[in-house]
Amino acid sequence: AQTVTQSQPEMSVQEAETVTLSCTYDTSENNYYLFWYKQPPSRQMILVIRQEAYKQQNATENRFSVNFQKAAKSFSLKISDSQLGDTAMYFCAFMRYGGSQGNLIFGKGTKLSVKP
Amino acid sequence: ETGVTQTPRHLVMGMTNKKSLKCEQHLGHNAMYWYKQSAKKPLELMFVYNFKEQTENNSVPSRFSPECPNSSHLFLHLHTLQPEDSALYLCASSQVGVFGLNSPLHFGNGTRLTVT
Repeated sequence: AQTVTQSQPEMSVQEAETVTLSCTYDTSENNYYLFWYKQPPSRQMILVIRQEAYKQQNATENRFSVNFQKAAKSFSLKISDSQLGDTAMYFCAFMRYGGSQGNLIFGKGTKLSVKP
Repeated sequence: ETGVTQTPRHLVMGMTNKKSLKCEQHLGHNAMYWYKQSAKKPLELMFVYNFKEQTENNSVPSRFSPECPNSSHLFLHLHTLQPEDSALYLCASSQVGVFGLNSPLHFGNGTRLTVT
């Protein structure tokens, strides 16, 4: 069975600085997807970034980038130039390639606070 | 503006009540999902509907009864719930492509359910 671990329940960062959120996972699969979702107080889960395991290049989306280390089963999220609107819960998630649709395995989340 | 709309936003019900949660997606997706988000636990997949057919029931108690009349609407009928069922219930949709490949999930804002 797959598991996703986020070891940092809470983090804080000063506005305009950079922060890295950690995520590790356990799987015996070779092909899979990894995601970071953001859940602000509005409660909507918003996709931040997605990584296909077969791609060696790390995904980037504007100020968000990942450090995907497949051998180490690590998938950290780096947020550059943090903004107040980045304050939210961040969830790391795993999905097996070709697996049951929507069967995302989520971590417990990291609460990020961006301070002015 | 979210492409997935959930109503009501908040719901308080007694253990003997019957109520329904509604979800509507405006994205033209062909798959819809119910997730449960409890405090201090990872997000849990409950049900999956693919082209209006239920393709997954993640060992959910029968007091939760899903209904998917078409690919744009999804309901979760609730009856005889327990206090431990209090949680945030999130609906999501995605486009399932060939070989089961999924577009990323799009979530609604959830219904905060309190069972008294």
